[in-house]
Amino acid sequence: EPEVTQTPSHQVTQMGQEVILRCVPISNHLYFYWYRQILGQKVEFLVSFYNNEISEKSEIFDDQFSVERPDGSNFTLKIRSTKLEDSAMYFCASSSGLAGVIQETQYFGPGTRLLVL
Amino acid sequence: KQEVTQIPAALSVPEGENLVLNCSFTDSAIYNLQWFRQDPGKGLTSLLLIQSSQREQTSGRLNASLDKSSGRSTLYIAASQPGDSATYLCAVRTGRRALTFGSGTRLQVQP
Repeated sequence: EPEVTQTPSHQVTQMGQEVILRCVPISNHLYFYWYRQILGQKVEFLVSFYNNEISEKSEIFDDQFSVERPDGSNFTLKIRSTKLEDSAMYFCASSSGLAGVIQETQYFGPGTRLLVL
Repeated sequence: KQEVTQIPAALSVPEGENLVLNCSFTDSAIYNLQWFRQDPGKGLTSLLLIQSSQREQTSGRLNASLDKSSGRSTLYIAASQPGDSATYLCAVRTGRRALTFGSGTRLQVQP
């Protein structure tokens, strides 16, 4: 069964450093998403991406975040200058974009655990 | 702003019991509601999706109901097994495509 994959599974970085989290969405899916889950807190939406541009973003997704689809298979989240509070599990998700908004399932990857020291 | 609440926060039951997990949301103008399972340190596995026009969905031992007008959904798990132990999350789609999640119910099924 097709699945969303993410790399790396764990990343440790120093505060102020740039990190890039990578995702391979399900083939032929058209919508891509990033969510994050700070330890002990709810899963939070960050951004959705369609047709090579951001279609929706949350208040969390400020100027230090960016997303990109550099080729036909990868979808990346870049954090330019990491802060301690960016430590979280980051989930990538994708959906087909064909089923219509009311019946469309989002499929999640296993996550990247980011630790900022 | 949509708020999603799940009760109870944690639940421990003996194997074989039937159980109900609850989810409530403040804005009834939703497109759909999804139930997910999350294993420790792992990603989210979609279990069921209920469209706003539907009352329930079933998959195997799982049955999810939706009462949109009252802002409630329940996930019923029949004949629970130790392998069902996980955190169960509900999420609603209110806006364009973003999901709003509850904080989850941590289920432990004792063998």
